[in-house]
Amino acid sequence: SQTIHQWPATLVQPVGSPLSLECTVEGTSNPNLYWYRQAAGRGLQLLFYSVGIGQISSEVPQNLSASRPQDRQFILSSKKLLLSDSGFYLCAWIDRRSYNSPLHFGNGTRLTVT
Amino acid sequence: RKEVEQDPGPFNVPEGATVAFNCTYSNSASQSFFWYRQDCRKEPKLLMSVYSSGNEDGRFTAQLNRASQYISLLIRDSKLSDSATYLCAVDPHSNYQLIWGAGTKLIIKP
Repeated sequence: SQTIHQWPATLVQPVGSPLSLECTVEGTSNPNLYWYRQAAGRGLQLLFYSVGIGQISSEVPQNLSASRPQDRQFILSSKKLLLSDSGFYLCAWIDRRSYNSPLHFGNGTRLTVT
Repeated sequence: RKEVEQDPGPFNVPEGATVAFNCTYSNSASQSFFWYRQDCRKEPKLLMSVYSSGNEDGRFTAQLNRASQYISLLIRDSKLSDSATYLCAVDPHSNYQLIWGAGTKLIIKP
């Protein structure tokens, strides 16, 4: 069966520090991968998506970046965090081999920038 | 007009009651529709996909109304554990880029 792992679960970082969040998917190949952010009490905001290794599309210009070094690995990074980067970060994947395939989320990372 | 819209609620409903909420979408060519449930401080989890013919899973029924461009979720015999935020998602271009509603908060009261 397919699973998605995301870590860490919680993170407290000072303003100006770097960030690296990692996500891996198991049990599938060549998935679409996504990074979302959800601010407190708000909806889901798509940050990045990837259809393959090294292929990253950015939805929102900001100080975050994403990379996909391997087929089932997706990394979200920042060189210098801002207070506004605080939020709930969710990695997700879709199996493109199936029509009408739903999105599956990881457990999320709750980031607090202080 | 937003691409996908939901009533944010909250819907306060007594235990055992039936509750329904809708999600409207703007792109008439949309083909894929989903309902997700999100508990406080947790990730969204798929509740059910919405098919053209409608579908039912226990106490939950989802329907698609293409003419009026909305999907609905009906919860019968509501339980305290149904309290959550319900998100709808639509893939308007069939390219696996889901557009999300902001969610409807449901509170079931004893």
